[in-house]
Amino acid sequence: AQTVTQSQPEMSVQEAETVTLSCTYDTSESNYYLFWYKQPPSRQMILVIRQEAYKQQNATENRFSVNFQKAAKSFSLKISDSQLGDTAMYFCASRSYNTDKLIFGTGTRLQVFP
Amino acid sequence: DGGITQSPKYLFRKEGQNVTLSCEQNLNHDAMYWYRQDPGQGLRLIYYSQIVNDFQKGDIAEGYSVSREKKESFPLTVTSAQKNPTAFYLCASSTAGELDTDTQYFGPGTRLTVL
Repeated sequence: AQTVTQSQPEMSVQEAETVTLSCTYDTSESNYYLFWYKQPPSRQMILVIRQEAYKQQNATENRFSVNFQKAAKSFSLKISDSQLGDTAMYFCASRSYNTDKLIFGTGTRLQVFP
Repeated sequence: DGGITQSPKYLFRKEGQNVTLSCEQNLNHDAMYWYRQDPGQGLRLIYYSQIVNDFQKGDIAEGYSVSREKKESFPLTVTSAQKNPTAFYLCASSTAGELDTDTQYFGPGTRLTVL
C-alpha cells in the first residue's frame, strides 16, 4: 500500500525568504505521480505542482520547485520569495499509474510573516 | 467558466437524517471523486467514478452512497449509518485514462455539521 508522510505539522517563514516543506512516500509501484496541493483558508484545494516519477528533471512552476529523490522516496517542495498569499496548508500526495486513488499526507501548515 | 461547483457550502443535519451533497463539473472530465477531510488528517477517499453509471468504493465508503447518472454530476448521500459525519467534504474530477493530464482538480467543498 502507498503511504505519504509529512513530518512537519507547522512551518513559518518571513516574506521574501525561501522555505522547504518535506514529504516522503512509500510505494512498491515503479510508475507513479507525485503532487503538492495548497489549501488556503478558503479550504479550496489548489494544485501547486506535479511530478511524474519517470522524469528525472525536477518540476518547477514559477516560485515553486521540487526536489525529487526517487531512490530516497523523497519529494520536498521549495517556495522561493515567499509571499503572504502562500499562507496555507500544503498537502503532498501520490498516485500510481494503475489506480485513480490519490494518497495524501497529513499536511504542513505554512505561515508567512511580513 | 469551467470548474467544479459544490453546494451547499455549509450544511446542517440532525442525527438520523440522510443528506445529499451536490457536485457538478463542466470540465468534461470522465472521473469524479469524493473525499472527506477531518482536522489533523489528510483527505480520505470515499467513492470514485470513472464513467457514467459506474462507481467504486474508496477507503471509507461505509455510511455513504453515490450515483453517477450524468457525466457532469456525482452527488454524495451521507446516510444515518455514518457514525461520525461531521467533516469537510471535497469533490474532485479528472480526465481518467490520459496519463499526461490525469490530475485531480477540486471543488470548493461542503462543511457538514451534524447537530
